[in-house]
Amino acid sequence: EAGVAQSPRYKIIEKRQSVAFWCNPISGHATLYWYQQILGQGPKLLIQFQNNGVVDDSQLPKDRFSAERLKGVDSTLKIQPAKLEDSAVYLCASSFPGRLIDEQFFGPGTRLTVL
Amino acid sequence: GIQVEQSPPDLILQEGANSTLRCNFSDSVNNLQWFHQNPWGQLINLFYIPSGTKQNGRLSATTVATERYSLLYISSSQTTDSGVYFCGKSHSGGGADGLTFGKGTHLIIQP
Repeated sequence: EAGVAQSPRYKIIEKRQSVAFWCNPISGHATLYWYQQILGQGPKLLIQFQNNGVVDDSQLPKDRFSAERLKGVDSTLKIQPAKLEDSAVYLCASSFPGRLIDEQFFGPGTRLTVL
Repeated sequence: GIQVEQSPPDLILQEGANSTLRCNFSDSVNNLQWFHQNPWGQLINLFYIPSGTKQNGRLSATTVATERYSLLYISSSQTTDSGVYFCGKSHSGGGADGLTFGKGTHLIIQP
């Protein structure tokens, strides 16, 4: 089966600009996650969706970050305006909750550089 | 909050050696996964192991949930095993189950 798809793979912007990332989860996976991975650290959860509803956005910097999953499939993560410290890899993951094994699968990530 | 600590932070071994990577966590576990991050940054699933022991070829993993740790074993290391290994765990059974990750173990296998 196809894995988690993300685009773009790379993005370079200047600070105060806006940027958006797209994720398409594995077919049938109801749960979708966005993580931020800063160089040298492990990924950090930003937001979790169950279908098109938000389950956990406690670590999302809501003054500049927003995310949506309008039809319960694809998702978009937006940063507006970007800061230098937003330079990171943004990872999308999905899982099929309700099964005995609730394993998360990750996409290839989008590497963001803010200049 | 939830803490996940990995050790050692760095490990350099010769090809053919065995290694043990450790993941300690601070509270109960619902989901625990081990990943290998490839040079392009993608997280490759190694094990889903909230408890017990699993083996896949030269790799095996054990989680002792009551003592709050998990171990990843790599036997007969190859240069292709180089990279960063992460463990990630969630603790909630109520739906909010995003993973909390450790800082990773950077493994270098020298020929």
